[in-house]
Amino acid sequence: AQTVTQSQPEMSVQEAETVTLSCTYDTSESNYYLFWYKQPPSRQMILVIRQEAYKQQNATENRFSVNFQKAAKSFSLKISDSQLGDTAMYFCAFMKLGGGAQKLVFGQGTRLTINP
Amino acid sequence: KAGVTQTPRYLIKTRGQQVTLSCSPISGHRSVSWYQQTPGQGLQFLFEYFSETQRNKGNFPGRFSGRQFSNSRSEMNVSTLELGDSALYLCASSLSGGAITDTQYFGPGTRLTVL
Repeated sequence: AQTVTQSQPEMSVQEAETVTLSCTYDTSESNYYLFWYKQPPSRQMILVIRQEAYKQQNATENRFSVNFQKAAKSFSLKISDSQLGDTAMYFCAFMKLGGGAQKLVFGQGTRLTINP
Repeated sequence: KAGVTQTPRYLIKTRGQQVTLSCSPISGHRSVSWYQQTPGQGLQFLFEYFSETQRNKGNFPGRFSGRQFSNSRSEMNVSTLELGDSALYLCASSLSGGAITDTQYFGPGTRLTVL
């Protein structure tokens, strides 16, 4: 079974700073996806970024980028130039690919607060 | 394109009752997954439906069930409600055509309170 661990329950930074959220996972699978989802106070779960395990290049989406270290099973999220709207719970998630395995395994989340 | 919709958004029930939650996926999406979110257990996978068939199931008791209709809309049912069933129930949909199309997009959730 896969497990996802987010070791930082809470983080707080000032607006415009850069922040990095950590995530490690455990799996014996070779073909999988990793995701970061954001859940603001509205509770709507929003996709931030995804990474295919077979791709060595780290994914980026505007101010959001990841550092994917497959051998170390590490998948951290970097938020550059943080904004007040980035305040939310952030969840790291794993999905095995193939065989119709549509199941996300989530970490416990990191509560990120951006202060003005 | 409209996102995933869930109804109702809020529900209050009493122990022993049953409840049905509904989820309409993004147009064209064929897979619908359900998750339970609680402060203690976090986000847990309930089940996934594809083409009206349950394809995956999480570790939940048989009181939790679901179904999917031919238009891909899905319902989940919880019978004999317990206090511990109080949670945010999230629905997610995907194209499920393999690879990138497996990315799941979430609805706003249904907040269930059991008294």
